[in-house]
Amino acid sequence: DGGITQSPKYLFRKEGQNVTLSCEQNLNHDAMYWYRQDPGQGLRLIYYSQIVNDFQKGDIAEGYSVSREKKESFPLTVTSAQKNPTAFYLCASSNGQGGQPQHFGDGTRLSIL
Amino acid sequence: ELKVEQNPLFLSMQEGKNYTIYCNYSTTSDRLYWYRQDPGKSLESLFVLLSNGAVKQEGRLMASLDTKARLSTLHITAAVHDLSATYFCAVVANAGNNRKLIWGLGTSLAVNP
Repeated sequence: DGGITQSPKYLFRKEGQNVTLSCEQNLNHDAMYWYRQDPGQGLRLIYYSQIVNDFQKGDIAEGYSVSREKKESFPLTVTSAQKNPTAFYLCASSNGQGGQPQHFGDGTRLSIL
Repeated sequence: ELKVEQNPLFLSMQEGKNYTIYCNYSTTSDRLYWYRQDPGKSLESLFVLLSNGAVKQEGRLMASLDTKARLSTLHITAAVHDLSATYFCAVVANAGNNRKLIWGLGTSLAVNP
């Protein structure tokens, strides 16, 4: 079955450490997205990518970095510059055609040690 | 800047009752999505509304879109416990592509026996 796989499901970060969240999709979608969700909040866009080797900052990109070297993969690195990284991170993809919804992975819950 | 407001943010209702969740947005857009999220889980696409007057129904849920009023409604008919979840609406920030969605804060629905 096609879908989006995020790993790990739970992640703990130490002070000063960079951590990378994995997102892989086998839906053959061109566009991929990273969102952050805090309790009681909607989703906030961190980064998105429309095609391989290209990505754009979303609304809260500071302290995060991404790469898009392959169509199926869009990893997110939470750097030590992100001072409040504790949140639920969701990866999504879409085929970019008008009207098609975004499909979401199961999320990664990141906490500070 | 596009803003999306949902109300109510919290809703507790009895099984068998009807209720409506509202989603208002601040600037022109003709593409709106409704998603469902169960606690600690990912988001599931419910409805895609692409034009003024669009109405879609799935089981006990019906969604509609009025682009002139910049309003979408999600109507719940004869609620059952399984509908307990958080419901999000999301609006495309730039008509013509679906790459950037602006999200409401979500409506947390609890259906009680």
